[in-house]
Amino acid sequence: DAKTTQPNSMESNEEEPVHLPCNHSTISGTDYIHWYRQLPSQGPEYVIHGLTSNVNNRMASLAIAEDRKSSTLILHRATLRDAAVYYCILSAQGGSEKLVFGKGTKLTVNP
Amino acid sequence: EPEVTQTPSHQVTQMGQEVILRCVPISNHLYFYWYRQILGQKVEFLVSFYNNEISEKSEIFDDQFSVERPDGSNFTLKIRSTKLEDSAMYFCASNVELGASWAGANVLTFGAGSRLTVL
Repeated sequence: DAKTTQPNSMESNEEEPVHLPCNHSTISGTDYIHWYRQLPSQGPEYVIHGLTSNVNNRMASLAIAEDRKSSTLILHRATLRDAAVYYCILSAQGGSEKLVFGKGTKLTVNP
Repeated sequence: EPEVTQTPSHQVTQMGQEVILRCVPISNHLYFYWYRQILGQKVEFLVSFYNNEISEKSEIFDDQFSVERPDGSNFTLKIRSTKLEDSAMYFCASNVELGASWAGANVLTFGAGSRLTVL
């Protein structure tokens, strides 16, 4: 029941920007686009979310396509600590719907 | 920053034994969840809990599993008779602040997990 498509893996160099893509062609009008990440041996961690407009926070930026069928998580300067599995998840508006995790993108950051 | 706390961090048990995993969600949150992740696999939803009852559960959450909020702070997952295939990381999560609007995004805060090893 995964509604998003992400590359299995990506690689980046330390201190360079990273663009993690996500396709969600069946997104509905009330679906939020969420990004979580999971560091090795940790629980999932919220990164950012958006609905229609691009979003920035202290961790990352989220660029959402005009038709909302794709989005890109941007890490402006990757650090070794950013090596993790990044999950792009759609979630309906409202506070109680469960999150459905796919396989995500495993990001490797090279020193 | 508020945290979801889980204990134990690692539990080893014999097949057939009962296990209770404990979670302390963020204090003013109203919705609680359990997820599990078998080694090398996806994070899978088990159950959500609100207002002292299960609001949704997955096919994985069979009669061997139960959840409880025994007091105002703890949220527990019990596995009645563990099987080898129950070996996994179990993550607790919570969301929806008391008094907050339910409209908008659904942001979960996860704990660090409890690793269960069934021998």
